[in-house]
Amino acid sequence: ETGVTQSPTHLIKTRGQQVTLRCSSQSGHNTVSWYQQALGQGPQFIFQYYREEENGRGNFPPRFSGLQFPNYSSELNVNALELDDSALYLCASSLSGDPTGELFFGEGSRLTVL
Amino acid sequence: RKEVEQDPGPFNVPEGATVAFNCTYSNSASQSFFWYRQDCRKEPKLLMSVYSSGNEDGRFTAQLNRASQYISLLIRDSKLSDSATYLCVVNRGSGNTGKLIFGQGTTLQVKP
Repeated sequence: ETGVTQSPTHLIKTRGQQVTLRCSSQSGHNTVSWYQQALGQGPQFIFQYYREEENGRGNFPPRFSGLQFPNYSSELNVNALELDDSALYLCASSLSGDPTGELFFGEGSRLTVL
Repeated sequence: RKEVEQDPGPFNVPEGATVAFNCTYSNSASQSFFWYRQDCRKEPKLLMSVYSSGNEDGRFTAQLNRASQYISLLIRDSKLSDSATYLCVVNRGSGNTGKLIFGQGTTLQVKP
């Protein structure tokens, strides 16, 4: 519906493993942001990518890393998974300079770490 | 202390009721403000932006008080379809930086 697609939708990993989540942004959007949403909490900003470069980071450790590609799609990588990394990971695309400030979210990737 | 604070609720109201949600933010440098709506197990979607002059969209009215660092959302004539979690959102930067700070969310349940 928003034009933002994420994969996979659900996945289960074990502690210490690594995971890669993917996001295709809405057509024409050049900025991608990643958020982590734990159960019962609001989304927390992980980082943002603009023109393939990280453009701001929240309070997350370096084992959370990302990439943005020339077509503006993006990946979120998490190394050395911990139990507390279990959450819904949301990707949001936007157009830099859009005065409305609206973010368009994908449906998320639900990660469970056992 | 969280940067954006909301009462998580839940607020249980009958259809037709008027309900108000409040939110406070701690960073006085915050530039723009929003309410997002999130349905159960779905992604957040923009409900409305919030301006100092106040703004209205149908049954929804949002207000911003910069001096008190306080944001509100009023829903009149509640519908069953209004049942959702309402997220108060603050943007520290200007324009669309995408670095939004979300509150915990307030859950609304509208009953027949």
